[in-house]
Amino acid sequence: QVQLQESGPGLIKPSGTLSLTCAVSGGSISSFRWWSWVRQPPGKGLEWIGEVFQGGDVNYNPSLGSRLTLSVDRSKNQFSLILTSVTAADTAMYYCAKHMTVSGTRGFDSWGQGTLVTVSS
Amino acid sequence: EIVLTQSPGTLSLSPGERATLSCRASQSLPSNFLAWYQQRPGQAPRLLIYGASSRATGIPDRFVGSGSGTDFTLTINRLEPEDFAVYYCQGYGDSPRYTFGQGTKLEFK
Repeated sequence: QVQLQESGPGLIKPSGTLSLTCAVSGGSISSFRWWSWVRQPPGKGLEWIGEVFQGGDVNYNPSLGSRLTLSVDRSKNQFSLILTSVTAADTAMYYCAKHMTVSGTRGFDSWGQGTLVTVSS
Repeated sequence: EIVLTQSPGTLSLSPGERATLSCRASQSLPSNFLAWYQQRPGQAPRLLIYGASSRATGIPDRFVGSGSGTDFTLTINRLEPEDFAVYYCQGYGDSPRYTFGQGTKLEFK
């Protein structure tokens, strides 16, 4: 069973850059198609950030505009998120997730435990 | 953008009762593009239902998904103590690709 583990700094200063990595274990990242990032502000609901294909194609949530970059490193079996010009509104638990592979359906069947990112000076 | 509206916001029930959670989409959604998740406190979300009605691996059969078009329902029969959590529906569309409902909190009565 595929397992995911997020890593990255827990505290970032306003206007700084957030960088997170999701390590994939129990399977090759190339064996699956799409991978996503989802975030959840404290006490609030889930927001889809974006998705990256194992070959590198991406789709982003327009709400994040040009601040977001997602990428895959197949040699390290991991994928990454970079979010620039962060503000307090970016404070959230960040999850990485694996898309399910049942043909024609959509959903995330494996999730990391999440990493809390706080934007504060 | 597909907007998903969940109701009620909070549902207060007792173990053994039946819970009925609603998810309404702002536009018609193919059934295979609707999923449900459970999130317990301090945990990541867990996929319960995909394709509107198919249970994910390991999900008990007391969890039943149904619906089509713009109206979808998650029914939880014979509530167990571990079922008290927050539930989210998720849809797939054009932009953004994925959206979530605001969640329904299932709490002890």
